[in-house]
Amino acid sequence: NAGVTQTPKFQVLKTGQSMTLQCAQDMNHNSMYWYRQDPGMGLRLIYYSASEGTTDKGEVPNGYNVSRLNKREFSLRLESAAPSQTSVYFCASVGFNNSPLHFGNGTRLTVT
Amino acid sequence: EDQVTQSPEALRLQEGESSSLNCSYTVSGLRGLFWYRQDPGKGPEFLFTLYSAGEEKEKERLKATLTKKESFLHITAPKPEDSATYLCAVLLAGTASKLTFGTGTRLQVTL
Repeated sequence: NAGVTQTPKFQVLKTGQSMTLQCAQDMNHNSMYWYRQDPGMGLRLIYYSASEGTTDKGEVPNGYNVSRLNKREFSLRLESAAPSQTSVYFCASVGFNNSPLHFGNGTRLTVT
Repeated sequence: EDQVTQSPEALRLQEGESSSLNCSYTVSGLRGLFWYRQDPGKGPEFLFTLYSAGEEKEKERLKATLTKKESFLHITAPKPEDSATYLCAVLLAGTASKLTFGTGTRLQVTL
Protein backbone atom coordinates (compact mmCIF):
# COMPACT_ATOMS: atom_id res chain seq x y z
CA ASN A 1 0.00 0.00 0.00
CA ALA A 2 2.14 2.87 -1.28
CA GLY A 3 -0.61 5.55 -1.12
CA VAL A 4 0.82 8.82 -2.47
CA THR A 5 4.43 8.66 -3.72
CA GLN A 6 6.49 11.77 -4.42
CA THR A 7 9.84 11.98 -6.18
CA PRO A 8 12.44 13.22 -5.61
CA LYS A 9 12.62 13.49 -1.81
CA PHE A 10 15.26 16.25 -1.91
CA GLN A 11 16.43 18.63 -4.60
CA VAL A 12 18.79 21.60 -4.80
CA LEU A 13 18.48 23.97 -7.75
CA LYS A 14 20.24 27.11 -8.83
CA THR A 15 18.15 30.19 -9.63
CA GLY A 16 16.76 29.91 -13.16
CA GLN A 17 16.96 26.13 -13.43
CA SER A 18 13.84 24.09 -14.13
CA MET A 19 12.57 20.85 -12.67
CA THR A 20 9.48 18.68 -12.41
CA LEU A 21 8.18 17.20 -9.18
CA GLN A 22 6.43 13.89 -9.66
CA CYS A 23 3.44 12.52 -7.76
CA ALA A 24 1.60 9.24 -8.18
CA GLN A 25 -1.25 7.69 -6.19
CA ASP A 26 -2.45 4.10 -6.25
CA MET A 27 -5.82 4.59 -4.52
CA ASN A 28 -7.85 5.27 -7.69
CA HIS A 29 -8.60 8.78 -6.41
CA ASN A 30 -10.23 11.34 -8.66
CA SER A 31 -8.77 14.57 -7.28
CA MET A 32 -5.14 15.52 -6.72
CA TYR A 33 -3.48 18.58 -5.18
CA TRP A 34 -0.13 20.31 -4.81
CA TYR A 35 0.59 22.24 -1.61
CA ARG A 36 3.68 24.04 -0.38
CA GLN A 37 4.60 24.32 3.31
CA ASP A 38 6.69 27.16 4.67
CA PRO A 39 7.52 27.97 8.32
CA GLY A 40 4.80 30.11 9.88
CA MET A 41 2.64 30.00 6.74
CA GLY A 42 0.93 26.65 6.92
CA LEU A 43 0.11 24.57 3.89
CA ARG A 44 -0.93 26.64 0.86
CA LEU A 45 -2.58 25.25 -2.26
CA ILE A 46 -0.66 25.76 -5.50
CA TYR A 47 -2.76 23.86 -8.07
CA TYR A 48 -5.30 21.10 -8.04
CA SER A 49 -6.97 18.68 -10.43
CA ALA A 50 -10.55 17.85 -9.53
CA SER A 51 -10.64 15.04 -12.09
CA GLU A 52 -8.54 13.57 -14.87
CA GLY A 53 -8.22 16.12 -17.66
CA THR A 54 -8.84 19.23 -15.53
CA THR A 55 -6.51 21.52 -13.58
CA ASP A 56 -7.15 24.75 -11.68
CA LYS A 57 -5.15 27.37 -9.84
CA GLY A 58 -5.04 27.46 -6.08
CA GLU A 59 -3.91 30.20 -3.72
CA VAL A 60 -0.26 30.56 -4.88
CA PRO A 61 0.06 29.40 -8.53
CA ASN A 62 2.57 31.96 -9.84
CA GLY A 63 5.81 30.40 -11.11
CA TYR A 64 4.35 26.90 -11.39
CA ASN A 65 2.66 24.72 -13.99
CA VAL A 66 0.98 21.35 -13.59
CA SER A 67 0.07 18.35 -15.71
CA ARG A 68 -2.49 15.66 -14.88
CA LEU A 69 -0.84 12.94 -16.90
CA ASN A 70 -3.50 10.31 -16.16
CA LYS A 71 -5.70 9.38 -13.20
CA ARG A 72 -2.68 8.26 -11.14
CA GLU A 73 -0.12 10.97 -11.84
CA PHE A 74 -0.01 14.73 -11.24
CA SER A 75 3.24 16.62 -11.82
CA LEU A 76 4.35 20.11 -10.76
CA ARG A 77 6.85 22.03 -12.90
CA LEU A 78 9.03 24.98 -11.99
CA GLU A 79 10.12 26.57 -15.28
CA SER A 80 12.61 29.04 -13.81
CA ALA A 81 13.25 28.43 -10.13
CA ALA A 82 13.55 31.35 -7.71
CA PRO A 83 14.81 31.43 -4.10
CA SER A 84 11.23 32.24 -3.01
CA GLN A 85 10.26 28.75 -4.18
CA THR A 86 12.45 27.13 -1.53
CA SER A 87 9.90 25.07 0.37
CA VAL A 88 8.56 21.63 1.12
CA TYR A 89 6.09 20.49 -1.54
CA PHE A 90 3.33 18.03 -0.74
CA CYS A 91 1.08 16.16 -3.12
CA ALA A 92 -2.29 14.91 -1.92
CA SER A 93 -5.25 13.01 -3.31
CA VAL A 94 -8.87 12.32 -2.41
CA GLY A 95 -11.47 9.96 -3.76
CA PHE A 96 -14.74 11.64 -2.86
CA ASN A 97 -15.91 15.11 -1.86
CA ASN A 98 -15.82 15.73 1.90
CA SER A 99 -13.37 12.85 2.43
CA PRO A 100 -9.92 13.47 3.97
CA LEU A 101 -6.93 14.18 1.76
CA HIS A 102 -4.12 11.63 1.72
CA PHE A 103 -0.65 13.19 1.58
CA GLY A 104 2.72 12.06 0.33
CA ASN A 105 5.89 12.59 2.35
CA GLY A 106 6.99 15.67 0.46
CA THR A 107 9.81 16.98 -1.70
CA ARG A 108 12.24 19.31 0.04
CA LEU A 109 13.41 21.88 -2.50
CA THR A 110 16.16 24.43 -1.99
CA VAL A 111 16.80 27.13 -4.61
CA THR A 112 20.12 28.96 -4.26
CA GLU B 1 -11.78 36.57 4.19
CA ASP B 2 -11.74 32.93 5.32
CA GLN B 3 -9.31 32.37 8.18
CA VAL B 4 -8.13 29.44 10.25
CA THR B 5 -6.14 30.19 13.41
CA GLN B 6 -4.51 27.62 15.66
CA SER B 7 -3.32 28.20 19.21
CA PRO B 8 -0.99 27.88 20.92
CA GLU B 9 1.83 27.82 18.35
CA ALA B 10 3.81 25.49 20.60
CA LEU B 11 2.96 23.48 23.70
CA ARG B 12 5.19 21.53 26.00
CA LEU B 13 3.56 18.99 28.31
CA GLN B 14 4.83 16.45 30.75
CA GLU B 15 3.75 12.86 30.22
CA GLY B 16 0.26 12.44 31.68
CA GLU B 17 -0.51 16.19 31.69
CA SER B 18 -3.75 16.65 29.73
CA SER B 19 -4.41 19.75 27.61
CA SER B 20 -6.30 21.08 24.59
CA LEU B 21 -5.32 22.57 21.25
CA ASN B 22 -7.57 25.17 19.65
CA CYS B 23 -8.56 25.78 16.03
CA SER B 24 -10.79 28.80 15.46
CA TYR B 25 -12.23 29.66 12.08
CA THR B 26 -14.07 32.49 10.40
CA VAL B 27 -15.39 31.06 7.18
CA SER B 28 -18.65 30.99 5.29
CA GLY B 29 -20.15 27.66 4.38
CA LEU B 30 -18.16 25.12 6.39
CA ARG B 31 -18.51 21.62 4.96
CA GLY B 32 -16.08 19.95 7.32
CA LEU B 33 -13.15 20.41 9.67
CA PHE B 34 -10.16 18.07 9.56
CA TRP B 35 -7.42 17.34 12.07
CA TYR B 36 -4.04 16.01 10.92
CA ARG B 37 -0.88 14.97 12.71
CA GLN B 38 2.49 15.73 11.10
CA ASP B 39 5.79 14.20 12.22
CA PRO B 40 9.12 15.82 11.22
CA GLY B 41 10.06 15.01 7.64
CA LYS B 42 6.68 13.41 6.90
CA GLY B 43 3.42 14.41 5.27
CA PRO B 44 0.28 15.15 7.29
CA GLU B 45 -1.52 12.07 8.55
CA PHE B 46 -5.31 12.18 8.86
CA LEU B 47 -6.83 11.97 12.35
CA PHE B 48 -10.47 13.16 12.35
CA THR B 49 -13.21 14.80 10.33
CA LEU B 50 -16.01 16.78 11.99
CA TYR B 51 -18.97 17.91 9.95
CA SER B 52 -21.41 19.65 12.30
CA ALA B 53 -21.43 21.61 15.56
CA GLY B 54 -21.71 19.33 18.57
CA GLU B 55 -19.97 16.44 16.87
CA GLU B 56 -17.17 14.61 18.72
CA LYS B 57 -14.67 11.98 17.56
CA GLU B 58 -12.20 9.96 19.66
CA LYS B 59 -9.11 7.92 18.95
CA GLU B 60 -6.94 6.58 21.76
CA ARG B 61 -5.82 9.62 23.81
CA LEU B 62 -7.24 12.16 21.35
CA LYS B 63 -10.72 13.66 21.23
CA ALA B 64 -11.87 16.28 18.73
CA THR B 65 -14.90 18.52 19.22
CA LEU B 66 -16.57 21.14 17.04
CA THR B 67 -18.64 24.27 17.70
CA LYS B 68 -19.86 26.88 15.23
CA LYS B 69 -16.66 28.92 15.64
CA GLU B 70 -13.91 26.56 16.76
CA SER B 71 -12.66 23.05 17.26
CA PHE B 72 -10.65 21.58 20.09
CA LEU B 73 -8.28 18.66 20.08
CA HIS B 74 -8.16 17.32 23.63
CA ILE B 75 -5.16 15.20 24.56
CA THR B 76 -5.68 13.05 27.65
CA ALA B 77 -2.65 11.70 29.54
CA PRO B 78 -0.27 12.26 26.62
CA LYS B 79 2.81 10.12 25.99
CA PRO B 80 6.10 11.15 24.35
CA GLU B 81 4.98 9.45 21.12
CA ASP B 82 2.19 12.03 20.85
CA SER B 83 4.84 14.67 20.14
CA ALA B 84 4.14 16.09 16.68
CA THR B 85 2.66 19.10 14.92
CA TYR B 86 -1.13 19.05 14.84
CA LEU B 87 -2.82 20.77 11.90
CA CYS B 88 -6.43 21.70 11.44
CA ALA B 89 -8.01 22.46 8.08
CA VAL B 90 -11.43 23.55 6.88
CA LEU B 91 -13.31 22.44 3.82
CA LEU B 92 -15.51 25.16 2.41
CA ALA B 93 -18.71 24.81 0.41
CA GLY B 94 -18.21 24.65 -3.35
CA THR B 95 -14.42 24.28 -3.22
CA ALA B 96 -13.75 20.89 -4.87
CA SER B 97 -12.30 19.40 -1.65
CA LYS B 98 -9.68 22.15 -1.34
CA LEU B 99 -8.58 22.41 2.28
CA THR B 100 -7.53 25.66 3.98
CA PHE B 101 -4.99 24.94 6.72
CA GLY B 102 -4.04 26.63 9.95
CA THR B 103 -0.36 27.02 10.81
CA GLY B 104 -0.35 24.19 13.34
CA THR B 105 0.49 23.57 17.00
CA ARG B 106 3.86 21.97 17.79
CA LEU B 107 3.35 19.60 20.71
CA GLN B 108 6.23 18.22 22.75
CA VAL B 109 5.55 15.66 25.46
CA THR B 110 8.40 14.98 27.86
CA LEU B 111 8.97 12.25 30.43
